Amino acid sequence: QKEVEQDPGPLSVPEGAIVSLNCTYSNSAFQYFMWYRQYSRKGPELLMYTYSSGNKEDGRFTAQVDKSSKYISLFIRDSQPSDSATYLCAMSLNTGNQFYFGTGTSLTVIP
Amino acid sequence: GAVVSQHPSRVICKSGTSVKIECRSLDFQATTMFWYRQFPKQSLMLMATSNEGSKATYEQGVEKDKFLINHASLTLSTLTVTSAHPEDSSFYICSASSGLGDGYTFGSGTRLTVV
Repeated sequence: QKEVEQDPGPLSVPEGAIVSLNCTYSNSAFQYFMWYRQYSRKGPELLMYTYSSGNKEDGRFTAQVDKSSKYISLFIRDSQPSDSATYLCAMSLNTGNQFYFGTGTSLTVIP
Repeated sequence: GAVVSQHPSRVICKSGTSVKIECRSLDFQATTMFWYRQFPKQSLMLMATSNEGSKATYEQGVEKDKFLINHASLTLSTLTVTSAHPEDSSFYICSASSGLGDGYTFGSGTRLTVV
């Protein structure tokens, strides 16, 4: 079983829709959870960084961590065509240590 | 599922020495491999893209003579940090793609400390 599972998509939504991206994981010891956005031929950029369980909101983006279910989500409200990218989840046991990535979900927001 | 093994996970070296980091795709052929660098709580910075059997493509600002990349086979890419300096201390991560549209698979990273 992979440490982190993420549906690769592709996911296609109309502009203005709410997008839900999800990852599940197997190691209950993960403490740090991250979401990255990657545009084509660019390195992934860090969108959200959360520690332990709970919600974190930043503009149109909300990250949720449910450690009891080993499930994390990223919600994008009022999606825009510029949100079209690949979204990767990642997690680690301790900050700066080994990362475990999902394979990324390809998102297209249609104008 | 696709697995990428990155080795070593941690390495400490002296200034002026070289360090080699390996990235292996264990159960798929990786036509393309990517090398990233990350500083704490920051985004991954793409350093270079390597395609099996050809020279790596380096991103602007990345010294190709300092960060040597060799993608000698469809399952192995190596990054060698030559004449390492303390400012090279960072977290290096590789990822690989089979090119079949199933996403990226990342290694677990290498923490390099140059003393």
